[in-house]
Amino acid sequence: GENVEQHPSTLSVQEGDSAVIKCTYSDSASNYFPWYKQELGKGPQLIIDIRSNVGEKKDQRIAVTLNKTAKHFSLHITETQPEDSAVYFCAARLHGSSNTGKLIFGQGTTLQVKP
Amino acid sequence: DAGVTQSPTHLIKTRGQQVTLRCSPKSGHDTVSWYQQALGQGPQFIFQYYEEEERQRGNFPDRFSGHQFPNYSSELNVNALLLGDSALYLCASSLGGTGTHSYEQYFGPGTRLTVT
Repeated sequence: GENVEQHPSTLSVQEGDSAVIKCTYSDSASNYFPWYKQELGKGPQLIIDIRSNVGEKKDQRIAVTLNKTAKHFSLHITETQPEDSAVYFCAARLHGSSNTGKLIFGQGTTLQVKP
Repeated sequence: DAGVTQSPTHLIKTRGQQVTLRCSPKSGHDTVSWYQQALGQGPQFIFQYYEEEERQRGNFPDRFSGHQFPNYSSELNVNALLLGDSALYLCASSLGGTGTHSYEQYFGPGTRLTVT
């Protein structure tokens, strides 16, 4: 069935270090992979996304890589700052007429950046 | 540019009651999706509305129903509330169709529902 596995569940890094969060999806028909940041008491905020026809995408300190063969995708945050502390979710969107917009989310990663 | 708005912010209901949650999509968006987020979990898809019709549904019982209005705003209704319905209910808006940005979903702040 449709499933997205996310690791690690918690991640603690020193300010300035890099953080990497990894996800694996089950359905090879997935064609879009967004990442969301959720701060306490707020809704998820879209921070970066990648489509299945692209292997890597970068936006300032954040980047996402996709390996379609292995069905893996990862979020990389460089030069982490305390304000990066939040819960991060990966998601996968299924392709096809019967799956026109459904996102399947991972379980989330709580990132703590220590000053 | 107004983002996605949801009301109310918080709601406390008793088991067996009914609840209605409301969502206004981001300006220019015509598609609304609803998700349920239990504490410590990722959001789970409930259903999606486009052109005032339910276009896709997740694995939720018929107690969960919705509606989309001509102005693209949407309501989520839950009947016969159970304790297990306590969660953060999120609305996400997007563009319908197959354009470049049609995949992007933007979330509102959510409605925290507590069932006692």
